[in-house]
Amino acid sequence: IQMTQSPSSLSASVGDRVTLTCRAGQSVGYHLNWYQLKPGKAPKLLIYAASTLQSGVPSRFSGTGSGTDFTLTISSLQPEDFATYYCQQTYSTPAWTFGRGTKVEVK
Amino acid sequence: QVHLVQSGTEVKKPGSSVKVSCKASGGTFSNMGISWVRQAPGQGLEWVGGIIPIFNTTNYAQKFRGRVTVAADESTSTVYMELSGLRSDDTAVYYCARISGLRTHWFDPWGQGTLVTVSS
Repeated sequence: IQMTQSPSSLSASVGDRVTLTCRAGQSVGYHLNWYQLKPGKAPKLLIYAASTLQSGVPSRFSGTGSGTDFTLTISSLQPEDFATYYCQQTYSTPAWTFGRGTKVEVK
Repeated sequence: QVHLVQSGTEVKKPGSSVKVSCKASGGTFSNMGISWVRQAPGQGLEWVGGIIPIFNTTNYAQKFRGRVTVAADESTSTVYMELSGLRSDDTAVYYCARISGLRTHWFDPWGQGTLVTVSS
């Protein structure tokens, strides 16, 4: 299942509300996860099952959507949030595909 | 709390093979599905394959079938990923990650990553 993320990159400032989009090529139900990736670090799970916040992840992160359209929202961007974000579908077991990522950069 | 520790950096010649290890601690290994994901330079995350030791089942992404083998050694709580026929475009950081969840799945936690460089 192809996962398309948009935009591929965006520029934002600290305090901005940021919304990232992920679209699946077919319905994946709620089987959608979001990860944050920073250079030199392992990916970090943010959201699983489309909208469940992983333990320890700040509440400024939220996920919505089902079927084919999903969003990750950062309500107030913090300096540590500049990173690349990936969505992943785990509907088509076991071929779990990722999107190509959205890079959030400093404006 | 599950913790995954991977083996160190590898430099390989084209056509050779590489074997990367992922040692798990803090959980029941036989119940622990492990997946491998890679990130090539400037590219996104790509699922390579995985294993569920309790069922002794492995699954691989279509593009790697025939070149990748994932195996588990329960005696040492270690999962291995071996990739053969290495090419320059296999240069990447390879991560292992635990497959979590029951009715749906996600990857958490992740290993620290292993850089594999393929160069003549």
